[in-house]
Amino acid sequence: KQEVTQIPAALSVPEGENLVLNCSFTDSAIYNLQWFRQDPGKGLTSLLLIQSSQREQTSGRLNASLDKSSGRSTLYIAASQPGDSATYLCAVTSTGANNLFFGTGTRLTVIP
Amino acid sequence: EPEVTQTPSHQVTQMGQEVILRCVPISNHLYFYWYRQILGQKVEFLVSFYNNEISEKSEIFDDQFSVERPDGSNFTLKIRSTKLEDSAMYFCASILDGQGAEAFFGQGTRLTVV
Repeated sequence: KQEVTQIPAALSVPEGENLVLNCSFTDSAIYNLQWFRQDPGKGLTSLLLIQSSQREQTSGRLNASLDKSSGRSTLYIAASQPGDSATYLCAVTSTGANNLFFGTGTRLTVIP
Repeated sequence: EPEVTQTPSHQVTQMGQEVILRCVPISNHLYFYWYRQILGQKVEFLVSFYNNEISEKSEIFDDQFSVERPDGSNFTLKIRSTKLEDSAMYFCASILDGQGAEAFFGQGTRLTVV
């Protein structure tokens, strides 16, 4: 069964800093990997989707990379802002399944 | 921008009662899902629905749960005989087509069983 892990569980940085969030998964047979943002008590907002054939995707200050063979993805946030404070979740769709397997998330706090 | 909408945003129910959580997926999407998130835990898959039938379900999705697409727009999750441990955030999601497509989630329904 696919297991997804995110490190660190929590991260606190000063405003303006660049940061990296990590995601690892145990089964490299995936269709895609998706990064989400979750604000407290709220829903999941899709940030980036990387197909298994891709190495990275970019959206604004966000860049996500995927190394499928090693079972790793990173989410890079440039020039962090207080509004980036949220929990970031990664999730993968394994081949042979059509649902997402989620990690436990990284809770990010950006200090003004 | 199209979005997945869920109602109600918060539901409080007494143990043993039945609840129906409602979702309106994005209109041209073909696959629909329910997930749940118990406070402080991972988001967990419950069930997927395609072509008017369940396509996959997890071990959590037992006889207590059922899903239905009663018309062309709504997608519902029914939970019978609710238990305290059913308290969680329930998310509906939809994707346009098969594996590889981006999943879009609703804002969730917070279910509290008392």
